[in-house]
Amino acid sequence: AQSVTQPDIHITVSEGASLELRCNYSYGATPYLFWYVQSPGQGLQLLLKYFSGDTLVQGIKGFEAEFKRSQSSFNLRKPSVHWSDAAEYFCAVGGGGADGLTFGKGTHLIIQP
Amino acid sequence: GAGVSQSPSNKVTEKGKDVELRCDPISGHTALYWYRQSLGQGLEFLIYFQGNSAPDKSGLPSDRFSAERTGGSVSTLTIQRTQQEDSAVYLCASSLKGDTQYFGPGTRLTVL
Repeated sequence: AQSVTQPDIHITVSEGASLELRCNYSYGATPYLFWYVQSPGQGLQLLLKYFSGDTLVQGIKGFEAEFKRSQSSFNLRKPSVHWSDAAEYFCAVGGGGADGLTFGKGTHLIIQP
Repeated sequence: GAGVSQSPSNKVTEKGKDVELRCDPISGHTALYWYRQSLGQGLEFLIYFQGNSAPDKSGLPSDRFSAERTGGSVSTLTIQRTQQEDSAVYLCASSLKGDTQYFGPGTRLTVL
């Protein structure tokens, strides 16, 4: 069965500092991997995705993620966070089509001034 | 362009009542997904539609839950005889080719 682990429930980062959110997955085939962000009371906004090809993918709002097959990881990074980045971040895996996404439990990002 | 829309945004109901949640996907998206987000269970995949067809309904939490899609567009998720454990945010997503899913704002359901 597929699964996603986000080991950090909460992360606190100072504004302007770099950020890395961890994601490990278990999937039987080549996965589709996603990072979504959710602000309070909002739906999920797609940050970036990986299907194949270049293992370093760029997304919106200055985020990037790197797919490492050997580590079954898809960590999200940002070189310098802004106060507006405070939100809940979800990593997800799926195979496309009828295969719905499996989400991690999420990481709550807090930005310190 | 217009994204996925869901209505109502909030629904408060009494235990035992039936509720209908609506999802309008992005125009032209043939794939549609329903998820449930709750504090205890996180985000759970419920059901997938390709066109009007849902090939696998096993993800629905109980037989009180049903879903349909008409005209390859609007979908409704119906919960009969609501229970307090049904309280959650219900999210809908659509996809053009079944790869990238775009989510709506969700319906927050509260069962008293």
